[in-house]
Amino acid sequence: DTEVTQTPKHLVMGMTNKKSLKCEQHMGHRAMYWYKQKAKKPPELMFVYSYEKLSINESVPSRFSPECPNSSLLNLHLHALQPEDSALYLCASSQDAPRDSGVWSSYEQYFGPGTRLTVT
Amino acid sequence: AQTVTQSQPEMSVQEAETVTLSCTYDTSENNYYLFWYKQPPSRQMILVIRQEAYKQQNATENRFSVNFQKAAKSFSLKISDSQLGDTAMYFCAFMKGQGGKLIFGQGTELSVKP
Repeated sequence: DTEVTQTPKHLVMGMTNKKSLKCEQHMGHRAMYWYKQKAKKPPELMFVYSYEKLSINESVPSRFSPECPNSSLLNLHLHALQPEDSALYLCASSQDAPRDSGVWSSYEQYFGPGTRLTVT
Repeated sequence: AQTVTQSQPEMSVQEAETVTLSCTYDTSENNYYLFWYKQPPSRQMILVIRQEAYKQQNATENRFSVNFQKAAKSFSLKISDSQLGDTAMYFCAFMKGQGGKLIFGQGTELSVKP
């Protein structure tokens, strides 16, 4: 099963609202990702969690706050967003090498269906 | 820094015909992976095919195959017997060995016409 689920599918929020996006996977993957995607553009990486620790933050504004409560779950907390933050937010997961293995592996990422966010 | 270039923003093909999507990349790494992802109008990004740089044999997955030219840093995707369901945005992506960031190309929007 290569399924990554995301909720909600659609979200409309005002600039003063606080909301959260949720992502879940049960493939035993230890790396999880948040991407932002504008129409007809490639996904832009926002955050990477590896073994439930934040390993990459691509200089994302603090109005986006990620959280990884456990190895299967990834949240993105939203607060005081701007209209230009309207986009499709994609979650992905991949295997990750054990920290001391030094073993070659292919770490293809599996994507969820995304949350279509509109900020009014 | 790595870059990925897809020079064809849009392409179209007749149903049952063959189409090739181009991708070139730039890297100084010797060990890396290349991917083609498909994103249909429903927006779910799906992995189509992957290629390990250390493998000389081109990857194939049913009607999808790649032409991997490591020296030329080229990684094209061939779709045989095109079907209406192949209509999608196709992204070529690069990743350094042992995981990390995916570097995407700008995408090629493919339309399969009946």
